[in-house]
Amino acid sequence: ETGVTQTPRHLVMGMTNKKSLKCEQHLGHNAMYWYKQSAKKPLELMFVYNFKEQTENNSVPSRFSPECPNSSHLFLHLHTLQPEDSALYLCASSQARDGNLREQYFGPGTRLTVT
Amino acid sequence: TQLLEQSPQFLSIQEGENLTVYCNSSSVFSSLQWYRQEPGEGPVLLVTVVTGGEVKKLKRLTFQFGDARKDSSLHITAAQPGDTGLYLCAGALYNFNKFYFGSGTKLNVKP
Repeated sequence: ETGVTQTPRHLVMGMTNKKSLKCEQHLGHNAMYWYKQSAKKPLELMFVYNFKEQTENNSVPSRFSPECPNSSHLFLHLHTLQPEDSALYLCASSQARDGNLREQYFGPGTRLTVT
Repeated sequence: TQLLEQSPQFLSIQEGENLTVYCNSSSVFSSLQWYRQEPGEGPVLLVTVVTGGEVKKLKRLTFQFGDARKDSSLHITAAQPGDTGLYLCAGALYNFNKFYFGSGTKLNVKP
């Protein structure tokens, strides 16, 4: 497989459920990202990982818990979500060159619906 | 306020028309990217520009990076219905580990 893959593509969960989103990148990149995209809102950065270390948490509620076991895999653990958390969750990866970021590649996203 | 201001937000045109989308900032970027996104899918990278004044062409799409590396434009010639989608610009600041996104331009090309 090439590029960035995400599973599942669609997820419906109740507010009391616990679920996890998975992302895998096959590009050899050292940085991975979680974004949230809601209808009629700009893309929102949630978390950034560089070499498996979290370097950014954009004031995300604790009901979202990221995990990065290695540079190729990224998870987003979900628990006790609210209906307003329904959105498209996008994973992305990138590689810095000369200390600066260039391209960022996105996965297809997980469409999450919280009922 | 967003670091990158993108305009227009919406654009509805007839097939065959030309259009330009703008991405502006007061910050200097080390690189700037343009993406196209279809509903329910992830953004797909179209181009990266890294040199001030750089112009890149991708078939009917022309991308320009401002001389001062603070702004960029995307020009589409003879738009087709297949160009319909959300166009996003994103920039990376020097020595920062994240990208800043514009709010997007929703383009609809009518046959």
